[in-house]
Amino acid sequence: ETGVTQTPRHLVMGMTNKKSLKCEQHLGHNAMYWYKQSAKKPLELMFVYSLEERVENNSVPSRFSPECPNSSHLFLHLHTLQPEDSALYLCASSQVGGFRDGYTFGSGTRLTVV
Amino acid sequence: GEDVEQSLFLSVREGDSSVINCTYTDSSSTYLYWYKQEPGAGLQLLTYIFSNMDMKQDQRLTVLLNKKDKHLSLRIADTQTGDSAIYFCADLLWGKLQFGAGTQVVVTP
Repeated sequence: ETGVTQTPRHLVMGMTNKKSLKCEQHLGHNAMYWYKQSAKKPLELMFVYSLEERVENNSVPSRFSPECPNSSHLFLHLHTLQPEDSALYLCASSQVGGFRDGYTFGSGTRLTVV
Repeated sequence: GEDVEQSLFLSVREGDSSVINCTYTDSSSTYLYWYKQEPGAGLQLLTYIFSNMDMKQDQRLTVLLNKKDKHLSLRIADTQTGDSAIYFCADLLWGKLQFGAGTQVVVTP
């Protein structure tokens, strides 16, 4: 496996369910990110982990809960979501200070809340 | 308004040049990037430009940066059907990438 891998690719969940999104990076990076992508809106940065510590939470509702057990893995735990949370959730990684390389993205999880 | 703004749609004929425009608000941005997203995929880095440069060329891609107007553009020469995708402009501000909403480029035969 190379790059950034996200699972599952697609997820349909009810508003009362609990599920988790998983992200794994094989690039030796030390920062990881969750973004939300909705149609015709800028990508929304949700969480940033740098050196395994959460450094940013952009006022994301508490029904989204991130977890970063080590520098290679990132989770997004979901519970009691709303239909407006339906979107593509993208994980990314980078090397702190590696600005020329930008961020490397996974293919995303397409989440539908019913 | 948004920190990074782009027009949402561009239609171009195969073989023509495409120009995708982007404006950003913060003059402290140090690096600016162009990413490409194909259907069902994540964002792929195409190119970047450092803020002290005016232009950068990489094969069919030319990036122009006007710092005074905070305007960034991406020109794709000889546009092909494989260039149909969503193109995102992003700036690096305080160590974080801020993205626009993306420009959907449709290449017609």
